[in-house]
Amino acid sequence: QEQLVQSGAEVRKPGASIKVSCQASGYSFLGYYMHWVRQAPGQGLEWLGRIDPKNGDTKSAQKFQGRVTLTTDASFSTAYMELSSLRSDDTAVYFCARGVLLLGSFAFDTWGQGALVSVSS
Amino acid sequence: EIVLAQSPGTLSLSPGEGATLSCRASESVRADSVAWYQQKPGQAPRLLIYGTLNRDTGIPDRFSGSGSGTDFTLIISRLEPEDFAVYYCQHYGGSHLTFGQGTRLEIK
Repeated sequence: QEQLVQSGAEVRKPGASIKVSCQASGYSFLGYYMHWVRQAPGQGLEWLGRIDPKNGDTKSAQKFQGRVTLTTDASFSTAYMELSSLRSDDTAVYFCARGVLLLGSFAFDTWGQGALVSVSS
Repeated sequence: EIVLAQSPGTLSLSPGEGATLSCRASESVRADSVAWYQQKPGQAPRLLIYGTLNRDTGIPDRFSGSGSGTDFTLIISRLEPEDFAVYYCQHYGGSHLTFGQGTRLEIK
């Protein structure tokens, strides 16, 4: 069945960058947008952006524009999210999620397990 | 940017009772753009409802969604112990996506 497996937990210092991977299996990687969502400790869900693996087209939330880079490697069915200039408030679990159209309605039907990124000096 | 406000923040109920969770958008949105997710501690969110009222595969029929315009509702009838979790509504406008802040459903 469809599955997204993410890279493991990472620790970074403020000002550094992080690159999280998300490997897809069980479906056609090129057929679905991949989205990235994060969740700070004890907080709600926040959308970072999405990428179309077919052509690399990306859209990101205004808050993260200039700091987030979304890429894919179709040969490995893997999506990547890179966040630069890390601050302590970027400490969060970062999820990848597959965007689908169900009966013409958008939803995230498959999620990665999450990758904890801790930013601390 | 559309903002989603969920209420209440926390809902304390007993198993067997019914729960009504609200999600209000800052402006009118299409019904096909609203979804609901359940999240348990340490887990990724799970899709419950898409297009305002359609249950995802395997979601029990005690979960139902309704709404239009700016007001959307998730109803859980006859709460089971496994239903106590945090619930999020979501809106996707094609170029931007937002979540509500969540409603925590806890055991009374």
